[in-house]
Amino acid sequence: AQKITQTQPGMFVQEKEAVTLDCTYDTSDQSYGLFWYKQPSSGEMIFLIYQGSYDEQNATEGRYSLNFQKARKSANLVISASQLGDSAMYFCAMRESGSSYKLIFGSGTRLLVRP
Amino acid sequence: NAGVTQTPKFQVLKTGQSMTLQCAQDMNHNSMYWYRQDPGMGLRLIYYSASEGTTDKGEVPNGYNVSRLNKREFSLRLESAAPSQTSVYFCASAIRGAPSTNEKLFFGSGTQLSVL
Repeated sequence: AQKITQTQPGMFVQEKEAVTLDCTYDTSDQSYGLFWYKQPSSGEMIFLIYQGSYDEQNATEGRYSLNFQKARKSANLVISASQLGDSAMYFCAMRESGSSYKLIFGSGTRLLVRP
Repeated sequence: NAGVTQTPKFQVLKTGQSMTLQCAQDMNHNSMYWYRQDPGMGLRLIYYSASEGTTDKGEVPNGYNVSRLNKREFSLRLESAAPSQTSVYFCASAIRGAPSTNEKLFFGSGTQLSVL
């Protein structure tokens, strides 16, 4: 069964520094997609970045990058130059293969950026 | 563009009451989903509809039913609400395709449901 694990319930980072949020996954499928979403205190879910299982390069989107280590089944999110507005919950998610296309989420990491 | 629209935004129910959460998307997406988010936790999939005319159970389907009314609309029904169903409910949609493609979910703004 598909599973996503985020082992850091909470993280602190100093403004302007980089931070890594951990995510490991478990799947027997060869084809899958990994996603990171941000949920600020307002509650909406904001898509950040995507990594496909066949992508050879690590995904990057502005200040966000994904450290994808397929053999270790990890997909860590790296936020560079943290800003106060980055304070939020961050969720890792994986799309299950086959015909269902459903997305399964981890339990999240709460990031607090200190000024 | 409206994107994904959920109604209502807030609802308070008494135990045993029934209600339907409505969700509509105007992006011509094939797949639609219902998630619940309990305090301090991630989103758990209740039901999903990979395409019009099909629905499947997710991780936590007990106590819920769904209807994919048409391509745009996907409703979630609580037949007999229980306090354990107090949660924030999110509807989402996506274009259906292969799993390894960049098909992100578009989320509605959520429904805060309290069952007393």
